[in-house]
Amino acid sequence: RKEVEQDPGPFNVPEGATVAFNCTYSNSASQSFFWYRQDCRKEPKLLMSVYSSGNEDGRFTAQLNRASQYISLLIRDSKLSDSATYLCVVTNTGNQFYFGTGTSLTVIP
Amino acid sequence: NAGVTQTPKFRVLKTGQSMTLLCAQDMNHEYMYWYRQDPGMGLRLIHYSVGEGTTAKGEVPDGYNVSRLKKQNFLLGLESAAPSQTSVYFCASNDRDSAGYGYTFGSGTRLTVV
Repeated sequence: RKEVEQDPGPFNVPEGATVAFNCTYSNSASQSFFWYRQDCRKEPKLLMSVYSSGNEDGRFTAQLNRASQYISLLIRDSKLSDSATYLCVVTNTGNQFYFGTGTSLTVIP
Repeated sequence: NAGVTQTPKFRVLKTGQSMTLLCAQDMNHEYMYWYRQDPGMGLRLIHYSVGEGTTAKGEVPDGYNVSRLKKQNFLLGLESAAPSQTSVYFCASNDRDSAGYGYTFGSGTRLTVV
């Protein structure tokens, strides 16, 4: 079983829409959780960490559900510039990072 | 502040040739990592290092070797390249204090083995 699983999409949404991605993880002892953004042919870049209490950064909201072992990312008022692949990342006790395969988002004018 | 720098950015190898990918970081990070990224497979860990002089195997280490002789550099070697090693290679770094903040990645090396 994969450590981290994501729906690959693609998600095609109009500008201004709200879109949500989910990611599940298999190790209940996982410690840290992140969402990364990766643009085409570029390196992944940290979008936001995910805290147990949930956290928000502008139009982006991340939530963690430890009981069900999933994390989510909500993007409100989508912009064309949000088009990218979003990677879910989970770490274990050994500081090893596990990446999902990514969810592709295209925001359409 | 350059962060994490990878060289080269692109390379084409013939089957059986060898090469070394260089990763350099200027953030004084303890931990460094080499990943490969293939379509539909996500990022997979090849080798990693938790400090100068240390290395460890990741998920897909076969066909690769690494060295961390200096804290700021992490080298990835391919002794005899195979077409299956065609991929995009990313180096990343972090340390204990910044583990909660994720990785810093280099811009990647696109390797094609023909």
